[in-house]
Amino acid sequence: DAGVIQSPRHEVTEMGQEVTLRCKPISGHNSLFWYRQTMMRGLELLIYFNNNVPIDDSGMPEDRFSAKMPNASFSTLKIQPSEPRDSAVYFCASSGQLTGAEAFFGQGTRLTVV
Amino acid sequence: AQKITQTQPGMFVQEKEAVTLDCTYDTSDPSYGLFWYKQPSSGEMIFLIYQGSYDQQNATEGRYSLNFQKARKSANLVISASQLGDSAMYFCAMRENTNAGKSTFGDGTTLTVKP
Repeated sequence: DAGVIQSPRHEVTEMGQEVTLRCKPISGHNSLFWYRQTMMRGLELLIYFNNNVPIDDSGMPEDRFSAKMPNASFSTLKIQPSEPRDSAVYFCASSGQLTGAEAFFGQGTRLTVV
Repeated sequence: AQKITQTQPGMFVQEKEAVTLDCTYDTSDPSYGLFWYKQPSSGEMIFLIYQGSYDQQNATEGRYSLNFQKARKSANLVISASQLGDSAMYFCAMRENTNAGKSTFGDGTTLTVKP
């Protein structure tokens, strides 16, 4: 199993640009989570999906952030327009159950907005 | 209110010794899961161990064990026979089953294993 695959691994972009982060969950997993990690705020849950349906997006910081899961094997997190304070490591994770089972994390995308 | 509290920002342990990393949690949900993750300096998040709220026995996975005290709402991670490779950040996390599976992470504890 290849695990959760995120792309790109690193992204440097200019303020105001659109950024799209991608995630391929583990095959057969039906829950997908997007997290953001910063020194100041730690690990924050942004949004999670169950069976491709967004269950809770209350962690999404503002309207500039959006996430989609068009099918069971792909999800995107988009920031438009990006700002320097969005610089962080963004993790995608998937699990086989909505509750109980551990979530397996991707390698993360390190985003730098200059 | 903080749902997961890790009171130790940093911990040191001598190689081959055991160490306990503290975690307390707050929930009114009778059904929940508790998790520990390791994040080495390379940045990936590695799942270590899981404890369900209805599990009667403490979870163990190799050198990792979870000291689950439900009444105290604590879920401490015990690492036995520490190795230099155990130096990392450790996160405690909780997933509340009736809160549609929403998960919360603590602020983490940085563990340094000394040779």
